[in-house]
Amino acid sequence: NAGVTQTPKFQVLKTGQSMTLQCAQDMNHNSMYWYRQDPGMGLRLIYYSASEGTTDKGEVPNGYNVSRLNKREFSLRLESAAPSQTSVYFCASSRTGSNQPQHFGDGTRLSIL
Amino acid sequence: AQSVSQHNHHVILSEAASLELGCNYSYGGTVNLFWYVQYPGQHLQLLLKYFSGDPLVKGIKGFEAEFIKSKFSFNLRKPSVQWSDTAEYFCAVNEADYKLSFGAGTTVTVRA
Repeated sequence: NAGVTQTPKFQVLKTGQSMTLQCAQDMNHNSMYWYRQDPGMGLRLIYYSASEGTTDKGEVPNGYNVSRLNKREFSLRLESAAPSQTSVYFCASSRTGSNQPQHFGDGTRLSIL
Repeated sequence: AQSVSQHNHHVILSEAASLELGCNYSYGGTVNLFWYVQYPGQHLQLLLKYFSGDPLVKGIKGFEAEFIKSKFSFNLRKPSVQWSDTAEYFCAVNEADYKLSFGAGTTVTVRA
């Protein structure tokens, strides 16, 4: 019953370092998402992938890149980390369709010094 | 993009009290509505959803929500809370696309 698996769970970076957050789902979902969660702001969509081979920007894409490696995996990359990117990052997946609920991973707590 | 407002930032109540959390959204067309819960240290889990049909939706753990289209609202309710309902609750809305907009969240603390 793995569902959505994110690695790592915790990471501390220095400003300017790069980092890739990994996400994999085993539910055969077509759609995958990356969010960041900040206090008092709920979750904000960074990027999403409606299906394998496609990616689109969400609400807060600046400073991030994504790769939909295959149907299972969707990675998020910070090329040059900034303190403003300190956050908790959640990956999610869903079946095709806007009325389908999203299933979330356990999150990655990222601190940038 | 949708604007989703959750009126209460933090709610504190005693066990057996009733709970109602407000949620309003900005878009007037067809929407899909969700309530998620995040227990301390855990990931978000779906409580319930609405996309058509009966506007009173029942979810897991005794929660329900009512969609009132004229008020752009989707309020969450539970008649009698338990200590284990301590969590953060998020309302979320999307239109005909995949972009789910979340409210800022309401932290609910239930005192034993």
